[in-house]
Amino acid sequence: QVQLQQSGPGLVKPSQTLSLTCAISGDSVSSNIVTWNWIRQSPSRGLEWLGRTYYRSKWYNDYAVSVKSRMTINPDTTKNQFSLQLNFVTPEDTAVYYCARTPPGGLYAFHMWGPGTMVTVSS
Amino acid sequence: NFMLTQPHSVSESPGKTVTISCTRSSGSIGSNYVQWYEQRPGSAPTIVIYEDNQRPSGVPSRFSGSIDRSSNSASLTISGLKTEDEADYYCQSYASTYPHVVFGGGTKLTVL
Repeated sequence: QVQLQQSGPGLVKPSQTLSLTCAISGDSVSSNIVTWNWIRQSPSRGLEWLGRTYYRSKWYNDYAVSVKSRMTINPDTTKNQFSLQLNFVTPEDTAVYYCARTPPGGLYAFHMWGPGTMVTVSS
Repeated sequence: NFMLTQPHSVSESPGKTVTISCTRSSGSIGSNYVQWYEQRPGSAPTIVIYEDNQRPSGVPSRFSGSIDRSSNSASLTISGLKTEDEADYYCQSYASTYPHVVFGGGTKLTVL
């Protein structure tokens, strides 16, 4: 059974970098039939897809236009996990951050979600 | 980019049927699959409908999805309402030209 376990700090100062990790069990970050995503949720912005990483003979990353200039998603095959880095955060980045997986063969339906990490951006 | 618009809230009695709509602002609702998620307070969303009308294993048959090209909208219908269905429901779709994922604003379902 696939499980996603998230980790990372709950408080980040403005202008610093938000870093979160999603550890995968029951599947492989290198699977060539699923994608690994980051999604966040805040009262002001609702649910917002941030980006994804996936492997199809080589690694691909896609990012939402809203965060593309500040965000990096990295797979870590040695630890079977993937991470999110969001640079130059502001209070607008305060949200619950989720990692999520699409089903085998699918690209845009999120069948598996991590438990979420509440991240507050504040000094 | 397009938007998905949902009613802010709906309410219905136990045992009844409720339908939640999701209207696409531009482009055809039939162009890209629609998914529906249920979210209870303090929990991550869980998928209840994918690819317009498909139910993941474990989701009761009381949940069904459809699209209506004439109104450019998708619908989630829950029949035989139970108090445990009380939750927020979100629709979601995507754009084909870029990996652009869109979520609706969510609908709070009250079962009373």
